[in-house]
Amino acid sequence: NAGVTQTPKFRVLKTGQSMTLLCAQDMNHEYMYWYRQDPGMGLRLIHYSVGEGTTAKGEVPDGYNVSRLKKQNFLLGLESAAPSQTSVYFCASSYGRRMGTEAFFGQGTRLTVV
Amino acid sequence: DQQVKQNSPSLSVQEGRISILNCDYTNSMFDYFLWYKKYPAEGPTFLISISSIKDKNEDGRFTVFLNKSAKHLSLHIVPSQPGDSAVYFCLRNQGGKLIFGQGTELSVKP
Repeated sequence: NAGVTQTPKFRVLKTGQSMTLLCAQDMNHEYMYWYRQDPGMGLRLIHYSVGEGTTAKGEVPDGYNVSRLKKQNFLLGLESAAPSQTSVYFCASSYGRRMGTEAFFGQGTRLTVV
Repeated sequence: DQQVKQNSPSLSVQEGRISILNCDYTNSMFDYFLWYKKYPAEGPTFLISISSIKDKNEDGRFTVFLNKSAKHLSLHIVPSQPGDSAVYFCLRNQGGKLIFGQGTELSVKP
């Protein structure tokens, strides 16, 4: 049972390049989330999804796009990377509101934009 | 608007003593609060949660207290152990949307 898996684990991009981060979960969870962690700021919600085919904006959505074409996958895209997007990105999944509690997190993706 | 605030960036306690981590929130609409623990280079892991209809929840060494009139919750760890040293985050679950506080780094000294 893999839980939540993020791909890749590390990446270096040049300014203006694009990339997609993949999050996969095998727990049949309805809700999925993308966060970024920066020093002194905790984890900030970028986008989230409450089910297959749905997405919603979080606290810091600008510069990112997401897609949830399959229930088990949640993709985070950067169309034109900027140095301000250098961060550690975490994906999470949960059963959602009806269960009320815990979300499970991946191990993180460290992205550097130069 | 920071809906969940952890005003202490760090806390240091002696092994065996109590650790108290605090969290304040704005707005009274919520479903659950959760506490997560995070080690460096790892994803956060769930510790304990509390629903809006309770004022206390206990799980082993961990107890969370919710004071709705003060819009304040706290996590108590008793007794504290060196392995508890980590960053602790308070989260708010509002209809499935999970919002983090800034975190408090706990250091438990032997």
